[in-house]
Amino acid sequence: NAGVTQTPKFRVLKTGQSMTLLCAQDMNHEYMYWYRQDPGMGLRLIHYSVGEGTTAKGEVPDGYNVSRLKKQNFLLGLESAAPSQTSVYFCASNNGVSPLHFGNGTRLTVT
Amino acid sequence: GQSLEQPSEVTAVEGAIVQINCTYQTSGFYGLSWYQQHDGGAPTFLSYNALDGLEETGRFSSFLSRSDSYGYLLLQELQMKDSASYFCAVRSSSGYSTLTFGKGTMLLVSP
Repeated sequence: NAGVTQTPKFRVLKTGQSMTLLCAQDMNHEYMYWYRQDPGMGLRLIHYSVGEGTTAKGEVPDGYNVSRLKKQNFLLGLESAAPSQTSVYFCASNNGVSPLHFGNGTRLTVT
Repeated sequence: GQSLEQPSEVTAVEGAIVQINCTYQTSGFYGLSWYQQHDGGAPTFLSYNALDGLEETGRFSSFLSRSDSYGYLLLQELQMKDSASYFCAVRSSSGYSTLTFGKGTMLLVSP
């Protein structure tokens, strides 16, 4: 019972490089979310999706793009990484009002 | 928008009772949730209050007063494994169901 799986677990990027974070869920959830977590800042919503083919901006969307081509996958892209994007990224999913199920996070460092 | 206030840190000893408070401001209210996060781990759902009153789940209880825009998480018979961060979260007033999280309360349980 995998739940929500994030890859990679760790990554180090140089400023200006690009990368894609992958999130997959096997619970047939309609909604998927990307949060970032920084010390003392809690969890802040980057982007979310309410169904296959849809995306929407959250609280801190600048510098990120997302895609939801398949219901079970939600991708988060950084086109030109900046040190301010050093963070722990969490993917989550649910069916709208049900509790969020989180992945184990991706720890990203941008140097 | 939404904002939540909770203490940054609380300390207690094993076997004690601790209360973590959360006050919120939101333009529309659809419930208060609590999540637990152990160091280095993923947040996990603890409880949800949509209506005023107390919800009990084992050693954990959660209370909500909508008129006071206030809730708390009560942890009884504290154990060392309860040392973690605890986040309150409110559901957005927007058309889709997103959660806004507080900055978290770190609970340190000592022997």
